[in-house]
Amino acid sequence: GQQVQQSPASLVLQEGENAELQCNFSSTATQLQWFYQSPGGSLVSLLSNPSGTKHTGRLTSTTVTKERRSSLHISSSQTTDSGTYLCGPGTQVVGQLTFGRGTRLQVYA
Amino acid sequence: AQTIHQWPVAEIKAVGSPLSLGCTIKGKSSPNLYWYWQATGGTLQQLFYSITVGQVESVVQLNLSASRPKDDQFILSTEKLLLSHSGFYLCAWSLWGGSYEQYFGPGTRLTVL
Repeated sequence: GQQVQQSPASLVLQEGENAELQCNFSSTATQLQWFYQSPGGSLVSLLSNPSGTKHTGRLTSTTVTKERRSSLHISSSQTTDSGTYLCGPGTQVVGQLTFGRGTRLQVYA
Repeated sequence: AQTIHQWPVAEIKAVGSPLSLGCTIKGKSSPNLYWYWQATGGTLQQLFYSITVGQVESVVQLNLSASRPKDDQFILSTEKLLLSHSGFYLCAWSLWGGSYEQYFGPGTRLTVL
């Protein structure tokens, strides 16, 4: 089955610094979403980006489908960005997303 | 606007007792529905998915079952809880076509003692 590796496992930044999160997966994916998981556990969809580059606000995701990897760039980090970021590649029709352990981001003032 | 509700918010249950968790989607017609589970400190795993009323597919076997009795309702249940069932249960939805982007509910935290 699909295996997902996210790096780094954790990241500590000072407010205003940029973050670069990586996601590598083992099988072809026709769907890929980046999520933010709050300390309480709830998931918020940040971006859906199965291929190419996509921007929203301070977030930029680049997915290279053939190389089975995706990245999430967070510019000008804020303390409210602290939490866990999950990458979920999957298949579109059935919607089977697979998740890795995520990247835990801590931003301090 | 679409809303997704999960109930209960949290549950503490005894080993061997039954369980029923619910999920309701409002504002979307015929969504795809999903159940996910995350053990404390573990990865998020998809358990079940449903693309239509009455049809549920199992992805991971955890001695749990799921049903979709209505278009907007998804139920997760078991007759006998195990300690290993503890964790965080999330319901999600998506629509056919487009990006199939999935949106998650607030979750239910289950503690089995």
